[in-house]
Amino acid sequence: EAQVTQNPRYLITVTGKKLTVTCSQNMNHEYMSWYRQDPGLGLRQIYYSMNVEVTDKGDVPEGYKVSRKEKRNFPLILESPSPNQTSLYFCASSPLPGQSSLDGYTFGSGTRLTVV
Amino acid sequence: ILNVEQSPQSLHVQEGDSTNFTCSFPSSNFYALHWYRWETAKSPEALFVMTLNGDEKKKGRISATLNTKEGYSYLYIKGSQPEDSATYLCAFMSRGGADGLTFGKGTHLIIQP
Repeated sequence: EAQVTQNPRYLITVTGKKLTVTCSQNMNHEYMSWYRQDPGLGLRQIYYSMNVEVTDKGDVPEGYKVSRKEKRNFPLILESPSPNQTSLYFCASSPLPGQSSLDGYTFGSGTRLTVV
Repeated sequence: ILNVEQSPQSLHVQEGDSTNFTCSFPSSNFYALHWYRWETAKSPEALFVMTLNGDEKKKGRISATLNTKEGYSYLYIKGSQPEDSATYLCAFMSRGGADGLTFGKGTHLIIQP
């Protein structure tokens, strides 16, 4: 089954304790991205990647890091989490725009992160 | 940051009625407009990807239109059913897609039996 797998689904952590949220896709998509969802603010892009070793900042990258060492994986790293990073996070993947204009993004199931 | 607006923010519709809502986006540098359906406790699922001015797409009782010159898209639901209750997101893609999608805040649709 074609899917984007995110782990964990839920995470409660303390301020300053480094954490990684994993994202893996099995559709051979070049494009992957991370979004956060906050009440009243909609989905906001954190980082995105158009291919292996190519990553770019989205609209809200502060406090986050990403890596794209393999095509299928795009982990989100919070080096020193703070309470304002409490949010619902989604990973998404798609073919590169222009390769298939009919495909939307495929989203992972989400990670609800609480930083206390 | 690109401005993508959706209205209304929320909508209560009687079962069986038809409804529509709006997405407005920048009319310059247009590349694509996406619509997603997002049910509670699930992840967003793609409904339509629209690229050409005047595009009309349909999936069952749901359809969408696109006007890139004036920067708006409408989503229509005919004969609403309780299972249509969800948040509907639109997302704008510009510059050949290099920056990814910018999402609106969504229209939260509740169908009342």
